[in-house]
Amino acid sequence: GENVEQHPSTLSVQEGDSAVIKCTYSDSASNYFPWYKQELGKRPQLIIDIRSNVGEKKDQRIAVTLNKTAKHFSLHITETQPEDSAVYFCAAPSGSARQLTFGSGTQLTVLP
Amino acid sequence: DAGVTQSPTHLIKTRGQQVTLRCSPKSGHDTVSWYQQALGQGPQFIFQYYEEEERQRGNFPDRFSGHQFPNYSSELNVNALLLGDSALYLCASSLGLTSSLGEQFFGPGTRLTVL
Repeated sequence: GENVEQHPSTLSVQEGDSAVIKCTYSDSASNYFPWYKQELGKRPQLIIDIRSNVGEKKDQRIAVTLNKTAKHFSLHITETQPEDSAVYFCAAPSGSARQLTFGSGTQLTVLP
Repeated sequence: DAGVTQSPTHLIKTRGQQVTLRCSPKSGHDTVSWYQQALGQGPQFIFQYYEEEERQRGNFPDRFSGHQFPNYSSELNVNALLLGDSALYLCASSLGLTSSLGEQFFGPGTRLTVL
C-alpha cells in the first residue's frame, strides 16, 4: 500500500512570507496528488491537485510541484495571509484504488 | 447543486453500543468513501462503496461495516463501540471507478464521542 510522509508537522511564518510543505510517497504507480486545507472543526477542502503528467501547477498564491523520480511533491504558498492558517494535508492514491492515503498534516500559522 | 451531506453532526455513545452514520454524495457522484480522522491526525481510509458493493477496505476491523443504497447514499455502521472509536468520521464522494483518480469531495463529518 501507499505510505505518505509529510514535513514539517508545524510551520510558523510571518504574514507576507512564503510557506513550503513537503510530502514523499512510496507507490510509484500513484498518479494523482491532492492537497487539502482543514480549518478547525471543518471538513478537509481540496485546494489544489496535480497529476503525474505535469511537474508544476499554480493557482493564484498556491502552487504544487511534483518530482516523480524522487517521489515527492510540495505545496508552496506565497504572500501568506492570516486566513491561510490551518492544517494542510497531502495525499496520494494507493495504486489502482481510489482510496487516498493522507500525510500526518502540517499546522500552518501565519503571524500578523 | 448539493454538496456532500452527513448526519448527524454530533453523536455521543457509550462503550459497547452500536452507531449508524449517514452520507449523501455530491450530485452526480456515485462512489462513497468513508474515513476516520482521530484528533490531530490525517484521515484514515475505512472503505469505499460503488454500485452498492464494498470495493476497497482499509485496515479496520469487521466491527466497521457499511452499505450503499440505489440512490448512492451510504451508511457506516460501527458495532461494539470502543473508546478509541471516538473521532470525526468523514464521507467523501467521487465519480466512478476509473483508472484516473479524480477529486474526492468531503462532507462536514460526524463527530462521534464514545464514553
